[in-house]
Amino acid sequence: DAGITQSPRYKITETGRQVTLMCHQTWSHSYMFWYRQDLGHGLRLIYYSAAADITDKGEVPDGYVVSRSKTENFPLTLESATRSQTSVYFCASLAGLAGGGDEQFFGPGTRLTVL
Amino acid sequence: KNQVEQSPQSLIILEGKNCTLQCNYTVSPFSNLRWYKQDTGRGPVSLTIMTFSENTKSNGRYTATLDADTKQSSLHITASQLSDSASYICVVSPGEAGTALIFGKGTTLSVSS
Repeated sequence: DAGITQSPRYKITETGRQVTLMCHQTWSHSYMFWYRQDLGHGLRLIYYSAAADITDKGEVPDGYVVSRSKTENFPLTLESATRSQTSVYFCASLAGLAGGGDEQFFGPGTRLTVL
Repeated sequence: KNQVEQSPQSLIILEGKNCTLQCNYTVSPFSNLRWYKQDTGRGPVSLTIMTFSENTKSNGRYTATLDADTKQSSLHITASQLSDSASYICVVSPGEAGTALIFGKGTTLSVSS
């Protein structure tokens, strides 16, 4: 599928378990992002990546790990899930200025519930 | 502190009516301001983008305005449709690469028949 996809779309897990959320984009965009969206908050940046093998922390990185070995994939791992990580997670990508603009394109989201 | 405040938090209107959503920001430096539409269960989709020198931008029935002096923006929806029911998010970019976006909490619009 063209565009940006996330998997799984829904996930229920238990406290302490490791969970990996997947994000894949077909545009070869340089930048990729992970956000979480909670009631009462705007989208908050967890981590972002400017290119393969380059990642950086966002506003709320604690408890999360990312990697980017390939340009098209940007997985997000919760090493030991906690209830406070129950949220909707969005992945986004950005071509960068050279790509013709700074619009971030968002995936459909993953709803994660930690019991 | 960089912040984006939106009002109202939620809004209910009848189909066919117009409405205006507000966004105030305290973000510096300023690169651009976008309005995103987020349907329930989906990711946000960009509606409009305005830079410092632009004060209005339209996308069909959506018209965004920007007053960079007062740091205010509005999104006007004309002749609302049921499909306009969504959350509308104001997003300000302080940088050039669009990486450090500042998101508002959104306005939830419900259009009823």
